[in-house]
Amino acid sequence: NAGVTQTPKFQVLKTGQSMTLQCAQDMNHNSMYWYRQDPGMGLRLIYYSASEGTTDKGEVPNGYNVSRLNKREFSLRLESAAPSQTSVYFCASRGGGYNEQFFGPGTRLTVL
Amino acid sequence: TQLLEQSPQFLSIQEGENLTVYCNSSSVFSSLQWYRQEPGEGPVLLVTVVTGGEVKKLKRLTFQFGDARKDSSLHITAAQPGDTGLYLCAGNAGGTSYGKLTFGQGTILTVHP
Repeated sequence: NAGVTQTPKFQVLKTGQSMTLQCAQDMNHNSMYWYRQDPGMGLRLIYYSASEGTTDKGEVPNGYNVSRLNKREFSLRLESAAPSQTSVYFCASRGGGYNEQFFGPGTRLTVL
Repeated sequence: TQLLEQSPQFLSIQEGENLTVYCNSSSVFSSLQWYRQEPGEGPVLLVTVVTGGEVKKLKRLTFQFGDARKDSSLHITAAQPGDTGLYLCAGNAGGTSYGKLTFGQGTILTVHP
């Protein structure tokens, strides 16, 4: 039982390049989330998927797109990376009675 | 937009000392969670509080939810170096929020031997 997995763990991009961050969970959770974490700012929600087939914007969606491929997988795409998108990205899924979220290990992204 | 103000942002203490981290908002939350995060890893849930005035204990950690469900605190007794890490509070508005969490800025705790 791996929980939430993310790939890659590290990535360096040049400004304007694109990439997709992958996330998968094996806990049969309906809801999944993408966050970014920057120093002194906690975690900020980028996009979320309440259930398979639905996605919606969070607090900071600009410059990102998402795909909920199936119940297990939720990907985050940067179409044209910018230095302001340098951050650590976390995927999470929700389970349990009180909206507990389970996080992946994160992707550390640097945009030059 | 709901906001959670977490304080202090940094804490550096000696082993054996006590400490309290605060999480405050002007908004009401249906539940509030505390997470701990170690370098290079994702946050891990410590506790969820759901009832106003609720107190939960996890070994040397005591969590309290304010009576009005707008604030929370984390108290650590006799801190140990193993408690070092980033502590995050996160609130859920409930209703049709689809489980979305609002996170505080985090408290970086360093416990020196």
